[in-house]
Amino acid sequence: NAGVTQTPKFQVLKTGQSMTLQCAQDMNHEYMSWYRQDPGMGLRLIHYSVGAGITDQGEVPNGYNVSRSTTEDFPLRLLSAAPSQTSVYFCASSYSRGSHGYTFGSGTRLTVV
Amino acid sequence: AQSVTQPDIHITVSEGASLELRCNYSYGATPYLFWYVQSPGQGLQLLLKYFSGDTLVQGIKGFEAEFKRSQSSFNLRKPSVHWSDAAEYFCAVIAGNMLTFGGGTRLMVKP
Repeated sequence: NAGVTQTPKFQVLKTGQSMTLQCAQDMNHEYMSWYRQDPGMGLRLIHYSVGAGITDQGEVPNGYNVSRSTTEDFPLRLLSAAPSQTSVYFCASSYSRGSHGYTFGSGTRLTVV
Repeated sequence: AQSVTQPDIHITVSEGASLELRCNYSYGATPYLFWYVQSPGQGLQLLLKYFSGDTLVQGIKGFEAEFKRSQSSFNLRKPSVHWSDAAEYFCAVIAGNMLTFGGGTRLMVKP
């Protein structure tokens, strides 16, 4: 049981490049979310999904796309990277609405130059 | 929209002293409330949660939190802090389908 696995752990991108952050969970959780963490701002929700084929926007969705084709995977795509997207990204998953709490991955540190 | 406020950005306590971290939330209905801890360079670990019932909830590592509806607060407490408790602490609320976090409180522990 690996929990929530995020890859890569570190990434440097040039402005304008695109990339996909991977997130996979093996707990059969319905709910999955992506957050970004910036100093002094806590974690802000980017996108979330309540099940395969269902996604919705969070607080800061601009510049990011998601899809949920399987229960296990919830990739986050940066369409055209900008320096403002330099951040630490966390994926999280939960059974149902989160009544048991969310399980977090170890994060991806992204730098856009 | 729901929101979570953690008024204290940094707190320093001496090892062995008591600790209280403040959290205030804004949400119309009864919230699901959480406290998470993040050690440097790590992900987030769930300390405790509140959904209903007893307003004093116990968590891991000796932490507890008290839900006070009249004050819209969910403060985290520990009677005696250990050096290993130094970390960043986040209060969070589930409203609808979204988990929303406060800005965090960084705890430093003096020997």
